[in-house]
Amino acid sequence: DAGVIQSPRHEVTEMGQEVTLRCKPISGHDYLFWYRQTMMRGLELLIYFNNNVPIDDSGMPEDRFSAKMPNASFSTLKIQPSEPRDSAVYFCASSPRGQGVRYGYTFGSGTRLTVV
Amino acid sequence: DAKTTQPTSMDCAEGRAANLPCNHSTISGNEYVYWYRQIHSQGPQYIIHGLKNNETNEMASLIITEDRKSSTLILPHATLRDTAVYYCIVAGGSQGNLIFGKGTKLSVKP
Repeated sequence: DAGVIQSPRHEVTEMGQEVTLRCKPISGHDYLFWYRQTMMRGLELLIYFNNNVPIDDSGMPEDRFSAKMPNASFSTLKIQPSEPRDSAVYFCASSPRGQGVRYGYTFGSGTRLTVV
Repeated sequence: DAKTTQPTSMDCAEGRAANLPCNHSTISGNEYVYWYRQIHSQGPQYIIHGLKNNETNEMASLIITEDRKSSTLILPHATLRDTAVYYCIVAGGSQGNLIFGKGTKLSVKP
């Protein structure tokens, strides 16, 4: 089991550019979560999916952010256009079948995004 | 989801038990208590969770008071590698999501 795989590990981009973060959840996990972590705000839940369907995106900061899950083994978080305040570590997590919160989430190693 | 209160930081001597407290006085009947930790530059790691009974696994023990208003995570023999931020979270059993607070920064010292 390779765990939750995120790519890239580090991303440096210029303000205004499009950024795409990728996540491969653990096989068989039907919940997928995107979190963002900054020093100021800590870990924030951005959006989560159940069976590839977005359930709650109320944490997405603004329309520049979008997330998709085209199949059970892949999700993307896109920022277009990116801004310096989007600089953060973005984590993806997955959780197994059933009522997600009763099972531990497995987090990926994160993508450190720097927007200059 | 109910909120939790944890000390900002704690120290523990290597080899001793680390007892991390958490208050969750507004927890409701169907909410679980979860503990995660985050070692520097890594993603959070699940440790343990419970509803009302005490729980133990290979990583830690979770003691929940009878009224469920507080809990304690116990690392029985802390090592330097246990230095991390520990998060106590309460979340519903149906579709409650994990909402992270600021946690407790545990420093294990030689």
